[in-house]
Amino acid sequence: ILNVEQSPQSLHVQEGDSTNFTCSFPSSNFYALHWYRWETAKSPEALFVMTLNGDEKKKGRISATLNTKEGYSYLYIKGSQPEDSATYLCAFGYNQGGKLIFGQGTELSVKP
Amino acid sequence: DTAVSQTPKYLVTQMGNDKSIKCEQNLGHDTMYWYKQDSKKFLKIMFSYNNKELIINETVPNRFSPKSPDKAHLNLHINSLELGDSAVYFCASSYPRLERGGQETQYFGPGTRLLVL
Repeated sequence: ILNVEQSPQSLHVQEGDSTNFTCSFPSSNFYALHWYRWETAKSPEALFVMTLNGDEKKKGRISATLNTKEGYSYLYIKGSQPEDSATYLCAFGYNQGGKLIFGQGTELSVKP
Repeated sequence: DTAVSQTPKYLVTQMGNDKSIKCEQNLGHDTMYWYKQDSKKFLKIMFSYNNKELIINETVPNRFSPKSPDKAHLNLHINSLELGDSAVYFCASSYPRLERGGQETQYFGPGTRLLVL
């Protein structure tokens, strides 16, 4: 059974704090690792897709790294803002059909 | 301007009824998906179609039948609804690039909240 685990499940930080979350996934049959941002009552929105070991992606204050050999990815948010409050999902892609296995997400709450 | 749209947004119905959820994308994507958000909030793949052809069919009761009249639409029909079918159903689409193992970004619709009474 393929399992994608995210930690922590939830995180409460103050505005201005930097934070990071972890996504663990199987290290075999790897095609891609996706990160999505999901705000309440909206649809998941893509942040990054990474395919190569050692990939690093950045979008504004958010960045992600990928280690396919050990099966983990980190998402970093620098200087968290209240508008960063959302659930951050990672998804493991392991076949050509685009099939993704999602983690449960890390729920981030940023207090002003 | 909506990229992936679903109708209806909310659906409340009685056990035993048959209902359909529609999904349309205007992104020109070849592949469309249906996901179910389970009680633990995991998004789980149900089906995927590529150019109207079924390519992913997870272990889903055969009361659920996807239909793709063209590559811009993927509808989900559910027969004999049960209480356990209550969930949020998300449609998504992507344009797989086979040289990258088909792992392109998936664009999600707003979800359909189904409640079976």
